[in-house]
Amino acid sequence: EVQVLESGGGLVQPGGSLRLSCAASGFTFDAWDMSWVRQAPGKGLEWVSAISGSAFSTYYADSVKGRFSISRDNSKKTLWLQMNSLRAEDTAVYYCAKDQKVHGMDVWGQGTTVTVSS
Amino acid sequence: SYVLTQPPSVSVAPGQTARITCGENNIGSKSVHWYQQRPGQAPVLVIYFDSGRPSGIPERFSGSNSGNTATLTISRVEAGDEADYYCQVWDSDSGHRVFGGGTQLTVL
Repeated sequence: EVQVLESGGGLVQPGGSLRLSCAASGFTFDAWDMSWVRQAPGKGLEWVSAISGSAFSTYYADSVKGRFSISRDNSKKTLWLQMNSLRAEDTAVYYCAKDQKVHGMDVWGQGTTVTVSS
Repeated sequence: SYVLTQPPSVSVAPGQTARITCGENNIGSKSVHWYQQRPGQAPVLVIYFDSGRPSGIPERFSGSNSGNTATLTISRVEAGDEADYYCQVWDSDSGHRVFGGGTQLTVL
């Protein structure tokens, strides 16, 4: 079965750090870009970051650039999002998605919740 | 960068046709994708590359894209289609992905 499963969310204080993980299965992981997308409570979807299949190229939304770092280990079929200097506005459900660029994001996880609060 | 504009809400009676728009200057030159998100659930890709339909998505869902507007059309709307719908593009120049603000579809 083709799936991705996020983990690592939780409650963190402003200024703190958190590392999210996404475990993939059922597809050729290194052939595809992967994206992180978040959704703040009661708000719409916001793309956060993406990484190419080879991990050579990374991309970030302006709202997280310089604070978040995306990476992947193709041998482990795992994607990560390292989040530093967290702010209250980073509170959201974070989704991992297989990203086919011109063909859209066709596989999504159920999300992991990040809450930034003192 | 792209700013994709969607109407906040669309309402339609069961059995009628719902049309949800996604606007941006010259969006017709981009590949537009559409996602359905039911409450408490993860998004699901319902249309890719303007008009492609993933396996398992009913034929009632269709898409088009021309000029400054992309459109998701849902024919013979059912109660189960009630959800939030988002358009999305990939900006090949910057590598960024952009989502529209979302449209809440209400089935009357």
